[in-house]
Amino acid sequence: NAGVTQTPKFQVLKTGQSMTLQCAQDMNHEYMSWYRQDPGMGLRLIHYSVGAGITDQGEVPNGYNVSRSTTEDFPLRLLSAAPSQTSVYFCASSYDGVSSDGYTFGSGTRLTVV
Amino acid sequence: EDQVTQSPEALRLQEGESSSLNCSYTVSGLRGLFWYRQDPGKGPEFLFTLYSAGEEKEKERLKATLTKKESFLHITAPKPEDSATYLCAVQASGGKLQFGAGTQVVVTP
Repeated sequence: NAGVTQTPKFQVLKTGQSMTLQCAQDMNHEYMSWYRQDPGMGLRLIHYSVGAGITDQGEVPNGYNVSRSTTEDFPLRLLSAAPSQTSVYFCASSYDGVSSDGYTFGSGTRLTVV
Repeated sequence: EDQVTQSPEALRLQEGESSSLNCSYTVSGLRGLFWYRQDPGKGPEFLFTLYSAGEEKEKERLKATLTKKESFLHITAPKPEDSATYLCAVQASGGKLQFGAGTQVVVTP
């Protein structure tokens, strides 16, 4: 049981490049979310999904796209990277969003845009 | 607008010196309040979920409590391995989690 797996762990991009951050979970969780974490600002929600085929925007969605074609996978796409997107990105999943087990987080992707 | 404020930003404790962290919130229709622990370079690790005022949860040296406006995380007789950043998050009726900025706790021997 791997939990939430994020790849890659580290990435350096040049301004304007695009890339996809991968997130996969093997717990049959319906809810999946992407957060970014910046010093002093806590975790901010980018996009989230309450099930396959359903996605919605969070607090800071601009510059990012998501899709949810399967229950297991929830990739995050950076369309045209900007230095302001330098951050640590976390994917999280939950059975139903309010279960007593909370959300399970991945180990993060540290992204630097130069 | 939903808001979560954690205090203090940082806390330095001697081993065995008990203390409390505060999480104050304003949210419409609270579905749950979550506490997480985060170690450097790692993802947040789930600790507790609280659903209603008056509820308490305990795990080893940690105890979380909830009122209508705030939650406390009490650390009793902390050890150096309790050093971490503790995050509070609330979930409103819309389903999204809103996080506070966290409290960084350092416990020295």
